[in-house]
Amino acid sequence: EAQVTQNPRYLITVTGKKLTVTCSQNMNHEYMSWYRQDPGLGLRQIYYSMNVEVTDKGDVPEGYKVSRKEKRNFPLILESPSPNQTSLYFCASTLSMRGSSTDTQYFGPGTRLTVL
Amino acid sequence: AQSVTQLDSQVPVFEEAPVELRCNYSSSVSVYLFWYVQYPNQGLQLLLKYLSGSTLVKGINGFEAEFNKSQTSFHLRKPSVHISDTAEYFCAVSIGSGTYKYIFGTGTRLKVLA
Repeated sequence: EAQVTQNPRYLITVTGKKLTVTCSQNMNHEYMSWYRQDPGLGLRQIYYSMNVEVTDKGDVPEGYKVSRKEKRNFPLILESPSPNQTSLYFCASTLSMRGSSTDTQYFGPGTRLTVL
Repeated sequence: AQSVTQLDSQVPVFEEAPVELRCNYSSSVSVYLFWYVQYPNQGLQLLLKYLSGSTLVKGINGFEAEFNKSQTSFHLRKPSVHISDTAEYFCAVSIGSGTYKYIFGTGTRLKVLA
């Protein structure tokens, strides 16, 4: 089954404790992206990756890191989480974004993060 | 800079009534337009998209949207809603050249009343 998986689905942590949220897709998609969803703000793009070893900032990258060492995986790293990073996070993948932006994004189920 | 505006944060409507969810965008370059739906406690899924060609786009579940370039709008419509359409709806644009970002609106919560 074609899907985007995220782990963990729920996470409660404390300020400053490094964490990683994993994202994996089995569709051989080139483009992957991370979003955070906050009430009244919709989804905001954190980082995206055009392909292996190619990443770029979205609109709200501060406090986050990503890496793309393999095509299927795109982990989101919070080196020193703070309470303002409490949010619902979504990973998404798209077959290709070769300048035509034609492809549908497939979303993971979300990770609800609480930073105390 | 590009932006997407969904003016209505909540839209209540009775079952079997028509509905229109509004979306306006701002961009100095070409964009592609999308509507996504998010059911409670789920991720987002695509309803429909406009890439080029006919300005009236039909999607899943009986939804359609019309691209109006002069008004920079992409409103979503359904002639007769069901209880199961209760969800949050997001309008989004992807930038057609130069960068590969997606920009989402703040969402419209559609509540269908019996």
